[in-house]
Amino acid sequence: GAVVSQHPSRVICKSGTSVKIECRSLDFQATTMFWYRQFPKQSLMLMATSNEGSKATYEQGVEKDKFLINHASLTLSTLTVTSAHPEDSSFYICSAPGGDEQYFGPGTRLTVT
Amino acid sequence: GQQVMQIPQYQHVQEGEDFTTYCNSSTTLSNIQWYKQRPGGHPVFLIQLVKSGEVKKQKRLTFQFGEAKKNSSLHITATQTTDVGTYFCAGDSAGTASKLTFGTGTRLQVTL
Repeated sequence: GAVVSQHPSRVICKSGTSVKIECRSLDFQATTMFWYRQFPKQSLMLMATSNEGSKATYEQGVEKDKFLINHASLTLSTLTVTSAHPEDSSFYICSAPGGDEQYFGPGTRLTVT
Repeated sequence: GQQVMQIPQYQHVQEGEDFTTYCNSSTTLSNIQWYKQRPGGHPVFLIQLVKSGEVKKQKRLTFQFGEAKKNSSLHITATQTTDVGTYFCAGDSAGTASKLTFGTGTRLQVTL
């Protein structure tokens, strides 16, 4: 099946700093990618839809100025968590659609201290 | 907004016992997908159901989509320790085949 990678897999940052997470489709092109957040023992919550060449679409309650999304090419979307706070600590997962299914990246565990 | 609930939240079974998780959507779905997430891992696609009343089988797993296309179930026969993980249903109501609302998930623990 198709492969989606994420980098980094884990990151620890200090409160107030920004963190960039990359999501790449390795063997297929993705005009759309999705960003999810998952807190421990909870479900995946869709944060935003990343669209190649245009602005991302954010879900209700997600601050677009805090979670900056850039979909610069057909294989790369980035999520930047700006001015991170401890409550932003979570598991961030991207996905890209392919046929009937979504291909998920391995996720990035963000810890803000 | 659309809500997708699953029951139970958690189930602990002995290896060899059967397991079922139920998924209910507040809105009619164009299709439903099921994913499995192992501890520390990411969701892995299991199957998609599209037709009303559809039933699909994958070895020991049986998936069903309700007649009203608002509910679904996953049944595992004779569980094994490799079945451990959290099972999520995910609904697509807009027919976009992409934007999914994930269910609350059912965590399955299997012991010998």
